[in-house]
Amino acid sequence: GQQLNQSPQSMFIQEGEDVSMNCTSSSIFNTWLWYKQDPGEGPVLLIALYKAGELTSNGRLTAQFGITRKDSFLNISASIPSDVGIYFCAGLGGGTSYGKLTFGQGTILTVHP
Amino acid sequence: DTAVSQTPKYLVTQMGNDKSIKCEQNLGHDTMYWYKQDSKKFLKIMFSYNNKELIINETVPNRFSPKSPDKAHLNLHINSLELGDSAVYFCASSQVVDTIYFGEGSWLTVV
Repeated sequence: GQQLNQSPQSMFIQEGEDVSMNCTSSSIFNTWLWYKQDPGEGPVLLIALYKAGELTSNGRLTAQFGITRKDSFLNISASIPSDVGIYFCAGLGGGTSYGKLTFGQGTILTVHP
Repeated sequence: DTAVSQTPKYLVTQMGNDKSIKCEQNLGHDTMYWYKQDSKKFLKIMFSYNNKELIINETVPNRFSPKSPDKAHLNLHINSLELGDSAVYFCASSQVVDTIYFGEGSWLTVV
């Protein structure tokens, strides 16, 4: 089946620092999504990417859909304590995988004030 | 108003028991899902229903049986619970496949 490799697995940063995380896949995805999960909650969609090469921002968050359609990255600028959580990339395939989100392993972000 | 609500939030039960988790969405979405998150936080789809019809059924033991009485509800029934079933189960819904709304999760612990 399709698999996503997300890195890093965890990050410990100081408030104000920038953060970068990425996902790679052996398969092509039609859509890349980035989610955040707060403790005790379900994942919440942050950014959706639909075209290879697309660069999209949502406030301090910026994500890009890789040209090969096999990778994506998420940047968070000027981190703040409420950025703490688990960030997941997810890919949405086509064909027989239509409608099925494949998630990365997650990046646990800790922000020290 | 909670968009996707699932109950119970916490469930502790003994091996061999049968339990159900209920899910309801008030978003008017046609598609609902069950995802499982294991102890390493890995999220994996289990089932997907569109207008009460099963459209995705991953390799899940047949002890897990989803039931959709109408398009706003998707319940998950688990028979003969095993220790390895301990996980967080997320219900979700969507109208378009790339915008999925998750519930808050149901923490299942099998002892």
